[in-house]
Amino acid sequence: EIVLTQSPGTLSLSPGQRATLSCRASQSLSSSYLAWYQQNPGQAPRLLIYGASSRATGIPDRFSGSGSGTDFTLTISRLEPEDFAVYYCQQYGGSPWTFGQGTKVEIK
Amino acid sequence: QVQLVESGGGLVNPGGSLRLSCAASGFTFSDYYMSWIRQTPGKGLEWVSYISTTGTATSYADSVKGRFTISRDTVKSSLYLQMNSLRVEDTAVYYCARGRYQARYTDYWGQGTLVTVSS
Repeated sequence: EIVLTQSPGTLSLSPGQRATLSCRASQSLSSSYLAWYQQNPGQAPRLLIYGASSRATGIPDRFSGSGSGTDFTLTISRLEPEDFAVYYCQQYGGSPWTFGQGTKVEIK
Repeated sequence: QVQLVESGGGLVNPGGSLRLSCAASGFTFSDYYMSWIRQTPGKGLEWVSYISTTGTATSYADSVKGRFTISRDTVKSSLYLQMNSLRVEDTAVYYCARGRYQARYTDYWGQGTLVTVSS
């Protein structure tokens, strides 16, 4: 099973700042099979990024994904109030598909 | 718009059974793989199962294999999860989700239904 480790656990930032979230896989992911999700309290996760860098439908361009192999990054260029949430990465390069433990982006 | 609405969660004793349902609307249900994913405060998000467009192919996490059965009804645009021999560690919010790339990732999720296994 591929283990995903996200860092940091919590990121304290102010609106307008840049957020950089990391996701490291225990094995290299073929074809950059990595997705990112956002989850607000009491809500279901929402797909942001798939294929490591492709934005899902309706996702603002302030969200971007990068990386390959074992190291991936989600960047939020300028934090909006609605972006303060928990973010999860998920790999689909090897069965079973697995998720990281999440990074909470909180208001500083 | 895409909507997925789960139902059927509740409190059940260890060893008991429960059947979850997910009503889909806003898209052509028969065109998509579908998945169940669960979430707990302790273990986080865990993929549980997926089913192919025709229902002929299914896959399960090792933790539920042999106890859970996924199925779908194209006429009713509904997804199901039959859960038998439930354990305390199956306690979670269960999400129904629409699959992409053969359910390797998911682009729409329902609001979830809580399953609590406790005596």
